[in-house]
Amino acid sequence: DIVMTQTPLSLSVTPGQPASISCKSTQSLLHSDGKTYLYWYLQKAGQSPQLLIYEVSNRFSGVPDRFSGSGSGTDFTLKISRVEAEDVGVYYCMQTIQFPGGFGQGTKLEIK
Amino acid sequence: EVELVQSEAEVKKPGESLKISCRASGYTFTNSWIGWVRQLPGEGLEWMGIIYPDDSDTKYSPSFQGQVTISSDKSISTTYLQWSGLRASDTAIYYCARPWTPSPWGRGTLVTVSS
Repeated sequence: DIVMTQTPLSLSVTPGQPASISCKSTQSLLHSDGKTYLYWYLQKAGQSPQLLIYEVSNRFSGVPDRFSGSGSGTDFTLKISRVEAEDVGVYYCMQTIQFPGGFGQGTKLEIK
Repeated sequence: EVELVQSEAEVKKPGESLKISCRASGYTFTNSWIGWVRQLPGEGLEWMGIIYPDDSDTKYSPSFQGQVTISSDKSISTTYLQWSGLRASDTAIYYCARPWTPSPWGRGTLVTVSS
């Protein structure tokens, strides 16, 4: 099974400052169809996870452009260029190159 | 607009059966895998299983094989997650989601199993 490892597990950021979360997989997430099945989600308190980024770097509909994703193969990064108060919650990376897909442990972002 | 609407929260006793649902709209239901994700209280996320509604091909995570049943009804664009004998350890929030298509998740169904 593919294991997804996120770092850090928690993050405290001053509003307006950048933030970065790393996600590493134990196997390449590049599929033979040319897509890389790596997603980023944010779960706010009491809500279902909301999709931020799909296939490494594509922002989902309505996601602010301060969120960006990058990486390839086994190493991926989510960046928030300027953190806002509404960005608090737990961030998860997810792979679905093979079933069952797997999630990282989650990174809790709080505001200083 | 894609939407996954889940059934309401349930409170059950150990040993009881339960079937929760997820109704899809805004896309062609039969042409996309859809499945269920479990979130234990205060914990992370786990895929339980997925189904392809067109032919009901179903895949289960090894952890959930034999523990739950996933099914779908094409006529009403709905997928189901079913237990035949609940345990206290099934207490969790269950989300429906599409594994390979960028899409919103359902809001979740809280299942509480307690005597």
